Amino acid sequence: EVQLVESGGGLVQPGGSLRLSCAVSGFTFSSYCMHWVRQPPGKGLVWVSRICSDGTTTTYADSVKGRFTISRDNAKNTLYLQMNSLTAEDTAVYYCAREQMSFDYWGQGTLVTVSS
Amino acid sequence: QAGLTQPPSVSKGLRQTATLTCTGNNNNVGNQGAAWLQQRQGHPPKLLSYKNNDRPSGISERFSASRSGNTASLTISGLQPEDEADYYCSAWDSSLSTWLFGGGTKLTVL
Repeated sequence: EVQLVESGGGLVQPGGSLRLSCAVSGFTFSSYCMHWVRQPPGKGLVWVSRICSDGTTTTYADSVKGRFTISRDNAKNTLYLQMNSLTAEDTAVYYCAREQMSFDYWGQGTLVTVSS
Repeated sequence: QAGLTQPPSVSKGLRQTATLTCTGNNNNVGNQGAAWLQQRQGHPPKLLSYKNNDRPSGISERFSASRSGNTASLTISGLQPEDEADYYCSAWDSSLSTWLFGGGTKLTVL
């Protein structure tokens, strides 16, 4: 069974940092590109970042470029999102998702709240 | 115009048919096609279709997708109470080199 489990969310002050993790199981992690997608409270889905299987090809939304870093550890079957210089606009549920034709499997999400 | 445009809400009766639309441009929907995702309240999104009308295993045939030019559509037939959810379209934009989501359509089953 394919599973994606996010962790690392929480309350952080503006300007602070947080690292999210997404532990996967049930498939060959190293064979897939992976994404982070976020959803602000009461709003729609927003694509954040993508990393391909070897970890060297990464893409970011303009809104997070230069502040967020996506990475992966294929030996640990884990995807990461390092988030720096956080602002209130980054408050959202963050989902990791597998890419197969589109976003075919999603985690349950982890809530990040940026507030003083 | 960047982004994918979806109507904010659609309401239909039980057992009726609903058609949801998603309008993009030649760089995304018109070129790459669109995927559709369903998100029930309090749950993560679930993929319903991709490449315009391929369905993942386990997705009901009541969900049918199509595309005409720069507009993708999702048709849900025989509406059931459990179909009440938010529906999002998604596409890769080859000009922006980014994945796009529509703003979502809230489907109400009366």
